[in-house]
Amino acid sequence: SQTIHQWPATLVQPVGSPLSLECTVEGTSNPNLYWYRQAAGRGLQLLFYSVGIGQISSEVPQNLSASRPQDRQFILSSKKLLLSDSGFYLCAWSMVIDEQFFGPGTRLTVL
Amino acid sequence: DAKTTQPPSMDCAEGRAANLPCNHSTISGNEYVYWYRQIHSQGPQYIIHGLKNNETNEMASLIITEDRKSSTLILPHATLRDTAVYYCIVRVGNSGGGADGLTFGKGTHLIIQP
Repeated sequence: SQTIHQWPATLVQPVGSPLSLECTVEGTSNPNLYWYRQAAGRGLQLLFYSVGIGQISSEVPQNLSASRPQDRQFILSSKKLLLSDSGFYLCAWSMVIDEQFFGPGTRLTVL
Repeated sequence: DAKTTQPPSMDCAEGRAANLPCNHSTISGNEYVYWYRQIHSQGPQYIIHGLKNNETNEMASLIITEDRKSSTLILPHATLRDTAVYYCIVRVGNSGGGADGLTFGKGTHLIIQP
């Protein structure tokens, strides 16, 4: 069966510090991978998606970047965090069947 | 993706059927209706999707009107664990190509009362 992992579960970082969130998927090959963010009191917003290694599509301009160094690994990064980067970050995967499976999420607080 | 309209919140008694409406009056012919839910502090969970026929699975039933401009998600016997935000999403199915992400609105906060 397929599983998706995210870490860390929670993170508190100062403004201006770097960020690296990791997502890995097990039990499947060549999945589509997604990063979403849910800011406080707001809906889920798609940030990035990837259809293969090294292939990243960005949905909104922002202070964040994404990379896919391996088939089942998706990384969300920032060189300098802003207060507005606080939120709940969710990774998801999908295959041809189109249903998306979400990870447990990382709650990021930028102080 | 077409826009959907959902009530912001609903209450339902435990053990009763919960009927969650969704309006999608601008839906296109190749767009599907998807339902996800998000329990507090967790990632969204897929529930069901359909094109024009009614659908049923172990979690819920989806009733789509003949003109496809609205739909209803039915949880037949709601439990306290069904308390969550329910999202109705309209999008082209995977056969339409692409790996686009989902566009989530604000959804309906369903509260199951004991």
